[in-house]
Amino acid sequence: DGGITQSPKYLFRKEGQNVTLSCEQNLNHDAMYWYRQDPGQGLRLIYYSQIVNDFQKGDIAEGYSVSREKKESFPLTVTSAQKNPTAFYLCASRAGATGNEQFFGPGTRLTVL
Amino acid sequence: AQSVTQLGSHVSVSEGALVLLRCNYSSSVPPYLFWYVQYPNQGLQLLLKYTSAATLVKGINGFEAEFKKSETSFHLTKPSAHMSDAAEYFCAVRSDTGRRALTFGSGTRLQVQP
Repeated sequence: DGGITQSPKYLFRKEGQNVTLSCEQNLNHDAMYWYRQDPGQGLRLIYYSQIVNDFQKGDIAEGYSVSREKKESFPLTVTSAQKNPTAFYLCASRAGATGNEQFFGPGTRLTVL
Repeated sequence: AQSVTQLGSHVSVSEGALVLLRCNYSSSVPPYLFWYVQYPNQGLQLLLKYTSAATLVKGINGFEAEFKKSETSFHLTKPSAHMSDAAEYFCAVRSDTGRRALTFGSGTRLQVQP
């Protein structure tokens, strides 16, 4: 089955630690996205990548970093510089030039202790 | 820049009643619009999309939405609510810039009473 996987499902972090969230897709999609979801709010764009080895900041990139070394993988690192990292993180992908909708993974819930 | 407003953070209906979830958008170009559903602690699932074809769009699970340019609206409806429809619903508009990211509304939580 084609789809997007995210791991882990739940992640706990101590203050001052960096953590990396995994996102893998086997849909052969060119574009990938990371969103953050907070209670009572919509999703906000952190980073996106249109092609391998290229990525761009979204609306709330401070305190986050990404890489795109392979088409199918787009990991997100939450650094200690992110002041309020507790949230639900969603990864999405979209087909190339003609793709409109985004397909979402199941999410990772990050809690800072 | 695009924006999306969802009126009503919580909507409660009785099982079998009409579901109406409201979405208004702003966009400087003809928009691409989407409705997604999210069940607790899960990702988002696409319900339906408007991409400038028919203004009445049918989606999965009996949902449909009508694009009204004059009202800048894209309201989601379902004639008869089912208990399994209880979830959070998000309206989104696609960016008109190259990044093609989605701008989401703040969501509407639908409760279905027996």
